[in-house]
Amino acid sequence: AQKITQTQPGMFVQEKEAVTLDCTYDTSDQSYGLFWYKQPSSGEMIFLIYQGSYDEQNATEGRYSLNFQKARKSANLVISASQLGDSAMYFCAMGASGTYKYIFGTGTRLKVLA
Amino acid sequence: DGGITQSPKYLFRKEGQNVTLSCEQNLNHDAMYWYRQDPGQGLRLIYYSQIVNDFQKGDIAEGYSVSREKKESFPLTVTSAQKNPTAFYLCASRYAAGVNTEAFFGQGTRLTVV
Repeated sequence: AQKITQTQPGMFVQEKEAVTLDCTYDTSDQSYGLFWYKQPSSGEMIFLIYQGSYDEQNATEGRYSLNFQKARKSANLVISASQLGDSAMYFCAMGASGTYKYIFGTGTRLKVLA
Repeated sequence: DGGITQSPKYLFRKEGQNVTLSCEQNLNHDAMYWYRQDPGQGLRLIYYSQIVNDFQKGDIAEGYSVSREKKESFPLTVTSAQKNPTAFYLCASRYAAGVNTEAFFGQGTRLTVV
C-alpha cells in the first residue's frame, strides 16, 4: 500500500531564509513520482515540483528544490529565500506506475515572518 | 481556457439529504479524482476513475457515490449515510496514470450540514 507522511503540522520561517518541509513515503512500486503542491488560503491547489523515482538529479523549479533521498524514502521540499507570499499549506503527493491512485499527505502549514 | 470546474462553491445540506457535487473538466484527461479535506487531515481520496464507466474506491468511500458516464464529468454524491459530511471537497484530474503527470484541481466545494 502507498502512504505519504508529513510530520510537521506547522512551520515558521523568517523572510529571506530557506526552509525545508519534510515528506516521507512508502510504496512497493519501483517506478513512482513525488509531487509538491501549495494551497494558499483561497483553497486553490498549485503544483510546484515533481521528482521521478528514477531521476538521478534532484528536481529544481526556481526557488523550489526537492531533496530526494531514495534509500530513506524521503522527498523534502526546500524553499529558498522565503517570501511572505509563500505562507500557505504545502502538500506532498505520490503516484505510482500501474495504478491511477494518487495520494496526499496531511500537509504542513508554513508561515513566513516579516 | 482548459480547466476543471466545480460547482457549487458553497453548499448547505440538511441532515438526511443526499447532495451532488459537480465536477467538469475540458482538459481531455483520462483520470479524475475526488478528495475530502478536513483541517489537520490533508487530502483524503474518496473515489477515482481512470476511464468512462469505471471507478475505484479510495480510502474513505463509505457514504459517497460517483458516476463516470462522460469523460468530462465526474459527479460526487454525498449520501445520508455519510456521518460527518461537512468538509471541503476537491476534484482533480490527470492526463494519465503515468508517474510524472501532475494533478489539476478545481476550486473546491465547501459543504456544510445544517
